[in-house]
Amino acid sequence: GDSVIQMQGQVTLSENDFLFINCTYSTTGYPTLFWYVQYSGEGPQLLLQVTTANNKGSSRGFEATYDKGTTSFHLQKTSVQEIDSAVYYCAMRDFTGNYKYVFGAGTRLKVIA
Amino acid sequence: GPKVLQIPSHQIIDMGQMVTLNCDPVSNHLYFYWYKQILGQQMEFLVNFYNGKVMEKSKLFKDQFSVERPDGSYFTLKIQPTALEDSAVYFCASSSGLGGRYAEQFFGPGTRLTVL
Repeated sequence: GDSVIQMQGQVTLSENDFLFINCTYSTTGYPTLFWYVQYSGEGPQLLLQVTTANNKGSSRGFEATYDKGTTSFHLQKTSVQEIDSAVYYCAMRDFTGNYKYVFGAGTRLKVIA
Repeated sequence: GPKVLQIPSHQIIDMGQMVTLNCDPVSNHLYFYWYKQILGQQMEFLVNFYNGKVMEKSKLFKDQFSVERPDGSYFTLKIQPTALEDSAVYFCASSSGLGGRYAEQFFGPGTRLTVL
């Protein structure tokens, strides 16, 4: 079945470090891919989404490229700040008649000032 | 930006009781969702609701679960009877559509359900 894999459960960085969060997906369809961010005590909110393969999405300094060849949608940011500390979810929505979203396990980012 | 509200923020009940979780979705949205997140685990899809009907549900959406949105009011998740394993944070979400930029889901802050 459809799945989204995030291998890193927790990432700890210092301010201005480079961020890379791994995400791979598995589906037989043509998904739209998302990154959601969840700050403490809040629900997830959309960070960025990409509908078309080989396109890149970006928001607030974060970016992710929909790589159909490697079925990946890794999240990157050149220089993280303490306010970026949150849980990041990679998610997928397939368009082959399946209405549900599939979320990855989430990666908790802690940025130390 | 658009807000989804969830009431209550925390509910504690005894096993076997009924509980109703309420969600006030974004006003012009048509698609509604419930997710379950057990502490320390990933968020998992429960159900998608549109035009008065369940569109899709996961295996987590047990027979004890039901959803409705009577007359455009709250979108509710009812659990009757509750079990210990129902303890989790339940997130409601809504979207205006399913495709492209309309697929963005707006999430509420969650309701923490504790079943004793």
